[in-house]
Amino acid sequence: SQTIHQWPATLVQPVGSPLSLECTVEGTSNPNLYWYRQAAGRGLQLLFYSVGIGQISSEVPQNLSASRPQDLQFILSSKKLLLSDSGFYLCAWSLARGHEQYFGPGTRLTVT
Amino acid sequence: AQTVTQSQPEMSVQEAETVTLSCTYDTSESNYYLFWYKQPPSRQMILVIRQEAYKQQNATENRFSVNFQKAAKSFSLKISDSQLGDTAMYFCAFTHFGNEKLTFGTGTRLTIIP
Repeated sequence: SQTIHQWPATLVQPVGSPLSLECTVEGTSNPNLYWYRQAAGRGLQLLFYSVGIGQISSEVPQNLSASRPQDLQFILSSKKLLLSDSGFYLCAWSLARGHEQYFGPGTRLTVT
Repeated sequence: AQTVTQSQPEMSVQEAETVTLSCTYDTSESNYYLFWYKQPPSRQMILVIRQEAYKQQNATENRFSVNFQKAAKSFSLKISDSQLGDTAMYFCAFTHFGNEKLTFGTGTRLTIIP
């Protein structure tokens, strides 16, 4: 069966510091991968998605970037965090286009 | 552009009762998929149920069932014999065949009262 992992689970970082959040998937190959952000009590905002290694599509121009160095690894990064980057970050995968997505446990990021 | 609307920001029901959450969507596509996701206090998003638009039969998963009205573009979720563990945010989501992305509604916060 497939599983998806995210780490860290919780992160507190000062403004201006770098960020690296990691997401890995097990038990499948060549999945679509997604990064979402969710503000408290709000819906999901799609940040990036990837249909293959090195292929990244950005949905919202912002302070963040994403990379997919391996088939089952998806990384969300920032060179300098802003206060507005605080939120709950969710990684997800799907088997193919037009199919359901499966989510990881999420990372709670607080920028101070 | 596709849109998903959940008109009930919050709902609450007594334990063991039945509750229905509403969702409407707008699309010009004919081949698409609809989903309900649950987000409990842990905040992990969990897939509850999926419906393919080409299927006339409503999907069911144990206590969860949907009422899919394609002409009305309506996709409601019915939870029978509600349990305390059903307390969560519920998101309706849509994608059309061949699309990489899901479009989510704004969610309904459901509270089950003991």
